[in-house]
Amino acid sequence: NAGVTQTPKFQVLKTGQSMTLQCAQDMNHEYMSWYRQDPGMGLRLIHYSVGAGITDQGEVPNGYNVSRSTTEDFPLRLLSAAPSQTSVYFCASSYLQAGANVLTFGAGSRLTVL
Amino acid sequence: AQSVSQHNHHVILSEAASLELGCNYSYGGTVNLFWYVQYPGQHLQLLLKYFSGDPLVKGIKGFEAEFIKSKFSFNLRKPSVQWSDTAEYFCAVRRGGGADGLTFGKGTHLIIQP
Repeated sequence: NAGVTQTPKFQVLKTGQSMTLQCAQDMNHEYMSWYRQDPGMGLRLIHYSVGAGITDQGEVPNGYNVSRSTTEDFPLRLLSAAPSQTSVYFCASSYLQAGANVLTFGAGSRLTVL
Repeated sequence: AQSVSQHNHHVILSEAASLELGCNYSYGGTVNLFWYVQYPGQHLQLLLKYFSGDPLVKGIKGFEAEFIKSKFSFNLRKPSVQWSDTAEYFCAVRRGGGADGLTFGKGTHLIIQP
């Protein structure tokens, strides 16, 4: 049971480049989400999804795009990277049912934008 | 929108000292409350959670937390810390029953000196 798998673990981009951070879970969780972690800021929610075909914005969605075509996958796209997007990104998933909706986190993807 | 405030950003303790990390949240309705821990270089792991019932919840590794509704607080405690407890600790809240993402505090960096 792999849990939540994120790729890549590390990535360096130049300003203006695009890329996709991958997230996959094998627990049949309905809910998936992306957070970014910055020093002194804690974790902030970027986007989330409550099921295939359904996505919504979190606290800091600008500059990011998501889609949810399957239950298992929830990729995060940066269309034109900016230095302000240098961060550690965490994907997390859970069941939706109240009482079972405890997030399981991936190992993180460290992104540097030059 | 709810917010979470963690009172101490950096805490340094000696081994065997007692620990209490403060957490207050702003949402007035039913909430789910969580403490996560992030060991150096690792992803977030759940320490404990509160959904309903007994306001004193016990988690892994000897940690416990008490939900005090009147004070909007969910403080984390451990009677005797160990060097291996050195980590970053995050308090998080979600509106109860909702499918929204978690709102995290900014974290407390705990250093245990041998």
